[in-house]
Amino acid sequence: QKEVEQDPGPLSVPEGAIVSLNCTYSNSAFQYFMWYRQYSRKGPELLMYTYSSGNKEDGRFTAQVDKSSKYISLFIRDSQPSDSATYLCAMSNFGNEKLTFGTGTRLTIIP
Amino acid sequence: DGGITQSPKYLFRKEGQNVTLSCEQNLNHDAMYWYRQDPGQGLRLIYYSQIVNDFQKGDIAEGYSVSREKKESFPLTVTSAQKNPTAFYLCASSIQASLETNEKLFFGSGTQLSVL
Repeated sequence: QKEVEQDPGPLSVPEGAIVSLNCTYSNSAFQYFMWYRQYSRKGPELLMYTYSSGNKEDGRFTAQVDKSSKYISLFIRDSQPSDSATYLCAMSNFGNEKLTFGTGTRLTIIP
Repeated sequence: DGGITQSPKYLFRKEGQNVTLSCEQNLNHDAMYWYRQDPGQGLRLIYYSQIVNDFQKGDIAEGYSVSREKKESFPLTVTSAQKNPTAFYLCASSIQASLETNEKLFFGSGTQLSVL
């Protein structure tokens, strides 16, 4: 079993829909949770950064962490074609050298 | 503009050849990292460096080497010992590598390495 599981998709939704992306993990020591967006053949860019449990909102993006279920989510409201990308979850207990990435979910927003 | 520059964007390696991927940052970050990305797999850490003249192996260091002679530069050499080098290579940096917190990671645009 992988330490971090992420559905690779692909996931296609119509423009304007709410998108839900998820990761599950097995290491209960993880405290830092991140979501990265990666356009094709580009480097990932940090979207959301959360410490411990709870919700965090930034514009159309909301990150949720449920440590009791070992489950994290990223919600995208009012999805736009420019949101079409691969979304990577990442997490660690401490230290970037311990960062564990999911495989990424490829998302396409259909105009 | 501050950022991380990787070059070249595309690189081809012949059998038995060593190739070097460049990574330069002008963010004044202390820590730098090299990741490998393969289709269907998460990013895997090759090497990282927390300070100049020091670096540590990541999860998949075999067949790779690095140096950190300057704060802003962290080149990666893919040696002939790496038998499956075809992948997308990503360099990243963070303000500092701390055992107490996770400083945010910033990535370059990547280098696609292919074998001829």
